Amino acid sequence: GNSVTQMEGPVTLSEEAFLTINCTYTATGYPSLFWYVQYPGEGLQLLLKATKADDKGSNKGFEATYRKETTSFHLEKGSVQVSDSAVYFCALGPSGGSYIPTFGRGTSLIVHP
Amino acid sequence: EAGVTQFPSHSVIEKGQTVTLRCDPISGHDNLYWYRRVMGKEIKFLLHFVKESKQDESGMPNNRFLAERTGGTYSTLKVQPAELEDSGVYFCASSPVGQGSEKLFFGSGTQLSVL
Repeated sequence: GNSVTQMEGPVTLSEEAFLTINCTYTATGYPSLFWYVQYPGEGLQLLLKATKADDKGSNKGFEATYRKETTSFHLEKGSVQVSDSAVYFCALGPSGGSYIPTFGRGTSLIVHP
Repeated sequence: EAGVTQFPSHSVIEKGQTVTLRCDPISGHDNLYWYRRVMGKEIKFLLHFVKESKQDESGMPNNRFLAERTGGTYSTLKVQPAELEDSGVYFCASSPVGQGSEKLFFGSGTQLSVL
């Protein structure tokens, strides 16, 4: 079945540091890939997505590229802010006969001033 | 437009008691999903409704869990009797059928603690 592996957190950075959160996946077929973000006290919300190989999703300074050859979708940001502190979830859309979106374990990001 | 709302936000109960969680999806969203996250682990799928029909309940842990979506609007998830391992955050998500179905809209979750 489909699965997502994310790096364990927490990831702790100083403001303006470079961020990478790794995500790899196993899937039947070619699902769309997503990053969701959960700010404290809120529900998950879509951050960005990519629908096919080599697509780059981007939003709010975050980027991730759909890499079919390495089955990866790593999240990056060049300069993080304190307000980026949240939990980030990598996810697969439905594929290969599975109609259910699949989520990773989430990676907590803590950004210090 | 109102988002997905879940009630209660927190629930603390004793082992053996019953708890009912409620989810109100975004109006017009026929897809409704329940997920659960145990501390620090992945968000695990529980079940999926399309309107009032259960499309997939393969993630339901056992028969102590019962989900309903009468009339295809709000949904409830009842745990009876609750066990310690049921503790976690229960998320509800909704999306439209067809165009835009892949993007899920989440509620803020219900934190369930079974003591």
